[in-house]
Amino acid sequence: NAGVTQTPKFRILKIGQSMTLQCTQDMNHNYMYWYRQDPGMGLKLIYYSVGAGITDKGEVPNGYNVSRSTTEDFPLRLELAAPSQTSVYFCASTPEASRTPQFQETQYFGPGTRLLVL
Amino acid sequence: KQEVTQIPAALSVPEGENLVLNCSFTDSAIYNLQWFRQDPGKGLTSLLLIQSSQREQTSGRLNASLDKSSGRSTLYIAASQPGDSATYLCASADSGAGSYQLTFGKGTKLSVIP
Repeated sequence: NAGVTQTPKFRILKIGQSMTLQCTQDMNHNYMYWYRQDPGMGLKLIYYSVGAGITDKGEVPNGYNVSRSTTEDFPLRLELAAPSQTSVYFCASTPEASRTPQFQETQYFGPGTRLLVL
Repeated sequence: KQEVTQIPAALSVPEGENLVLNCSFTDSAIYNLQWFRQDPGKGLTSLLLIQSSQREQTSGRLNASLDKSSGRSTLYIAASQPGDSATYLCASADSGAGSYQLTFGKGTKLSVIP
């Protein structure tokens, strides 16, 4: 298994440009997440999905959009890039975010996409 | 809203020392508490997960404890090695908005000096 893969690894955008950050997992996980990490800060949740066709906002969703047409893929879209979106973006997945103790599992993270908006 | 705080922000120790990293959280209604390791330019790697009903978890030289009543968790690293140098993040799993979400601290950057 490749686990969680993200492309591209690094990208420079001009203000106002748009792009899609790709995330794919081959572990058949239902739950997927997008986080951003600013320098010296923890991760903040942007969007998450509990299965194909179902997405919901996290703590910092403004300026982003997501879709989940398949179990494997969870792309993150930036429509009008702004300098405030300069960050490192991480995608993660977990099989089933059960609340019962015997089924609790950690999240598996991709290597991240470093985005610079100038 | 859950808030997770990690102290200290950075720590430098000589090789071989035992050390403790601290994590505190404001809302004790958590499903679990997780510790991650992050190497520069890399993603996060899970180290330990402590369920809300547990008091501690161990993996090799790592031991994590959880005290929900006081809102605290600690990560104990025994006999530290230069390879342990990384940023350590703790995260609480909460039921925000009816789903399972992680709230992260800002991390503790550990440097182990040979």
